[in-house]
Amino acid sequence: AQSVAQPEDQVNVAEGNPLTVKCTYSVSGNPYLFWYVQYPNRGLQFLLKYITGDNLVKGSYGFEAEFNKSQTSFHLKKPSALVSDSALYFCAVRDTQNTDKLIFGTGTRLQVFP
Amino acid sequence: ETGVTQSPTHLIKTRGQQVTLRCSSQSGHNTVSWYQQALGQGPQFIFQYYREEENGRGNFPPRFSGLQFPNYSSELNVNALELDDSALYLCASSLPLGLAGGPGEQFFGPGTRLTVL
Repeated sequence: AQSVAQPEDQVNVAEGNPLTVKCTYSVSGNPYLFWYVQYPNRGLQFLLKYITGDNLVKGSYGFEAEFNKSQTSFHLKKPSALVSDSALYFCAVRDTQNTDKLIFGTGTRLQVFP
Repeated sequence: ETGVTQSPTHLIKTRGQQVTLRCSSQSGHNTVSWYQQALGQGPQFIFQYYREEENGRGNFPPRFSGLQFPNYSSELNVNALELDDSALYLCASSLPLGLAGGPGEQFFGPGTRLTVL
């Protein structure tokens, strides 16, 4: 079965410092990976995706993610965190075997301190 | 281009009642997926509709049902509500796999917060 894991419930970082939110995946076949962000009482906003090609994917709001096939990871990164980046981040994999659905991780709460 | 919209934003029901949630997909998207997000959890796939037909279902009982209309809008119906149905219900629209040239992102609406008392 396809799945994603987000090993950290919360990540704390000081404003201006680089941030990393971790995600590992387990899939059969080619992985189609996504990052979404959720602000309080809001739906999910798409940040970036990896389908194929360059292992470093650039997305919205200065975020990027590095796909590592050997480590089955897709970590979200940003060189310089902002207080406004504080939110809940979800990694997801697209299940293309049985149905076209997204399988989400449990989420990581990012807290950026001023 | 309009985004995904959902109504209502909040809803309070009692156990045993029935509820209907509505979703309008993003312009040009003919695939709609519904997810349930319980407090503190990631979204869980309920089902998906493509061209008015159910195109896959997650691990939810039959009292969760849906519809898609010719204009691609969709409804989620839940019968015999239980306390555990309290959650944020998210609708997402997308292009189908082949048409997008590969799996594209799903665009989410703001959700409907359902509270069952």
